[in-house]
Order: sequence, then C-alpha cells, then structure tokens
Amino acid sequence: GENVEQHPSTLSVQEGDSAVIKCTYSDSASNYFPWYKQELGKRPQLIIDIRSNVGEKKDQRIAVTLNKTAKHFSLHITETQPEDSAVYFCAAGPSGGYQKVTFGTGTKLQVIP
Amino acid sequence: EPEVTQTPSHQVTQMGQEVILRCVPISNHLYFYWYRQILGQKVEFLVSFYNNEISEKSEIFDDQFSVERPDGSNFTLKIRSTKLEDSAMYFCASSERRYEQYFGPGTRLTVT
Repeated sequence: GENVEQHPSTLSVQEGDSAVIKCTYSDSASNYFPWYKQELGKRPQLIIDIRSNVGEKKDQRIAVTLNKTAKHFSLHITETQPEDSAVYFCAAGPSGGYQKVTFGTGTKLQVIP
Repeated sequence: EPEVTQTPSHQVTQMGQEVILRCVPISNHLYFYWYRQILGQKVEFLVSFYNNEISEKSEIFDDQFSVERPDGSNFTLKIRSTKLEDSAMYFCASSERRYEQYFGPGTRLTVT
C-alpha cells in the first residue's frame, strides 16, 4: 500500500518568512496530492491540491510542487502570518479518488510574530 | 458554503458497547468516507462508500465496523463492541467528484 513520509515534523519560522514542507510517497500509481491544514481541535481543511498532470500549482501565498519521477511533493507558504500556525498534512491517493487517501504524519508549523 | 456535519461532537461509551456516529455529507456529493485520528497522530483511512456500497476499506475496518446510508442524507459508522483502542476522533468526509474530500468537524469517541 501507499506510504507517505513527511518532513519536518515541526517547523518554526518568523512572521514574513517562507515555510517549506516536504513529502515523499511510495506508490507510483498515486496521482492526486492534497494538502490539509488542521488547527487545534478542528477538522482537516483542504487548502490546495495537485494532480499528476501538472508540476506546480499556486494559490496566493501557497504553492505546491510535484516531482513524479522522484515521488516527492512540497508545500511552500510565503510571507507567513501567525494564522498560518497549524498542523499541515500532505496526502496521496490514486486517480480514482473514491479510494483512500493516505496521509503523512503531519508538520506542526509555528509562525512567530 | 455547505459543510459536512457530524453528531455527536463527543461520545463517551463503555467498553463493549455499540456506538453509532452520524454524518450528513454535503448534499450533492456522491462519495463518502470515514477516517479516524488518534490524539496527536495522523489521519487514518477507514472506509470509502459510493453508490450504496463500500468501495474500499482499510485493515482497521474489521468486522466490528459497519457503514450505512439509511436515507438520502445521513451516513453512519457503527462500532459494534467498542474497545479502549477505538478511542479517537472520527472524521466523516465527502466529495462531489473523485477528488477534493471535505471533512466534517469530527466526533471524539472516548471508550472507558
């Protein structure tokens, strides 16, 4: 089955700096890579996703990159703000999304004002 | 904006008891999922459901678990005989198409 590794487990950045979270996956059949933000005690919230037919996607301060050959993908947050502080999970799933999405172990991001 | 809802928000039960966790997916969504998250750990897939049948289930989803869509709006997860290790946050999710799963607020299950 799919195995998703995520690094780092914790990340502290100064407000305004950039944050990068990296994930690797094992199953070459995976074609869908969502990122979720989870604030303490809240639901995971989909913030951005990427499919295997593109290498990069951007939405305001958030961008994701995908390298299918190397089986890794990354989340980039620029101009970080205190409200970006949360746990971020990457995930990977097959092209048939009604099948399971496998989550990474999470990165706790702390943005220091 | 429509959201997935779940009830109850917190359920306390004794070991061996049956619990039913309820979810109302987003109304035009066709795919439904249950995940669980043990405190401080990652989100784990339990089961996916489409067209009134299970699409896929994980090794966690054993015979103690079952899912049902009893009517046009609800989606339930039943645990027949709860164990201490079933204590976790259970999330329901739904998707309109085959991607973009949206999560509910979760039910915290505490088994004593």
